[in-house]
Amino acid sequence: QQQVKQSPQSLIVQKGGISIINCAYENTAFDYFPWYQQFPGKGPALLIAIRPDVSEKKEGRFTISFNKSAKQFSLHIMDSQPGDSATYFCAAISGAQKLVFGQGTRLTINP
Amino acid sequence: GAVVSQHPSWVICKSGTSVKIECRSLDFQATTMFWYRQFPKQSLMLMATSNEGSKATYEQGVEKDKFLINHASLTLSTLTVTSAHPEDSSFYICSARRLAGNYNEQFFGPGTRLTVL
Repeated sequence: QQQVKQSPQSLIVQKGGISIINCAYENTAFDYFPWYQQFPGKGPALLIAIRPDVSEKKEGRFTISFNKSAKQFSLHIMDSQPGDSATYFCAAISGAQKLVFGQGTRLTINP
Repeated sequence: GAVVSQHPSWVICKSGTSVKIECRSLDFQATTMFWYRQFPKQSLMLMATSNEGSKATYEQGVEKDKFLINHASLTLSTLTVTSAHPEDSSFYICSARRLAGNYNEQFFGPGTRLTVL
C-alpha cells in the first residue's frame, strides 16, 4: 500500500512534443505529491509538487494533473526540449512520514 | 528553493578505511535529514532518517555500525562509512526536510560518489 507505481520506465519524445509520465498510488493518506528531476551524477531536484485538494498545477512548461478518485497523478512537459532529458521521479508522502518514490522514468528528448 | 550541500562530491578510498560525508542545509533549518543510496539506473533507496540530537533510525537491512550517522545541528548531518569495502561503492545522497505551512518539503543534496578500491 506504500508503493507508488510509475510508468513508463523510459520515454523518447521529439523536440517540441509533450512528455507525459504517470504515477499511481494506493495509500489515501498521502497528502503531498512532488516530482523530482535528476540529471546523471546529480542529486534529485524538486521540480513541482501538488496537494490533493487541487486537480492541476502549472509552473512554466511543467504541469501536474491530479485525479484523487483514481489515485493517479501525472507530469506533463510541454514543448519538450533536449535540456529536459533526465530521469524523473514521482513521489508521495503522508504527513511527516517517509517519502515514497516511484521507479523513475528516463526521458530522452530528440533534437 | 532551499539549498542542500554535500561534501565531498566524490571520494576514492582504499578498502578498510573510513569515509565521512557531510550534508548541510544552507538556508533553512531542517526538521529531519535523510540518507539515501542510489545504484545506477535505479530509484533512491532510503538508508536512514535522522533528527537533530537523537539517534538515527535505520531502514531494514542497513547496518548501523557500518553507516554511522551523526546529526549535530539543525543544519548538519554526517554519514561515516566505516571500514569501507568495494561493495560500498555507490552514489550517496542526503536530503533535508523543512516544514512549509502544514506540509513537509524535502530537498536533496547533489550527491557524493564513493569509490572503494
